[in-house]
Amino acid sequence: EDQVTQSPEALRLQEGESSSLNCSYTVSGLRGLFWYRQDPGKGPEFLFTLYSAGEEKEKERLKATLTKKESFLHITAPKPEDSATYLCAVQASQGAQKLVFGQGTRLTINP
Amino acid sequence: ETGVTQTPRHLVMGMTNKKSLKCEQHLGHNAMYWYKQSAKKPLELMFVYNFKEQTENNSVPSRFSPECPNSSHLFLHLHTLQPEDSALYLCASSQGGSGADTQYFGPGTRLTVL
Repeated sequence: EDQVTQSPEALRLQEGESSSLNCSYTVSGLRGLFWYRQDPGKGPEFLFTLYSAGEEKEKERLKATLTKKESFLHITAPKPEDSATYLCAVQASQGAQKLVFGQGTRLTINP
Repeated sequence: ETGVTQTPRHLVMGMTNKKSLKCEQHLGHNAMYWYKQSAKKPLELMFVYNFKEQTENNSVPSRFSPECPNSSHLFLHLHTLQPEDSALYLCASSQGGSGADTQYFGPGTRLTVL
């Protein structure tokens, strides 16, 4: 069974304090790993798709990396507006378009 | 309108009511999805439609009835719901196809069942 586990469940940082969020996964053949950002009461907003181990993608203060067992979302010098829940999901080679999500990491950046 | 839109944004209904959620995508995609997001639980896939045909039903109770009249519109018909069905219902769309397929989400409908 495909599974995604995110850690930590919640993270509180000071503005400018860099850190990383973890997404561990088990999947029967990875088609893609996705990162989303979700603000309270809103739908998830797409950030990145990673396809294979060793791949990295960046967007502003965020950088996503992928290995065969986990993905990291690195946040460099975060600002209060980066506060949100970050969701990780995997799409398996089998199982059509189904996304399996983790529970998310709730990130709070204090000014 | 751009992206994926959902109406209504908030809905309160009794257990004997019948209501419908609507989703519309303006991205030219071929696949549409319904997800349920409950407190403290990961997003759960409910239904998948490809080119208007239902291709996945993730063991969803029959009190939830989806309808996809065309590739741009998706409905979720609700009847005789239970209080535990209260959740954020999210619609998503994607291009479809055999590769990694990025899904784009709407803002959701916050449903409360009394």
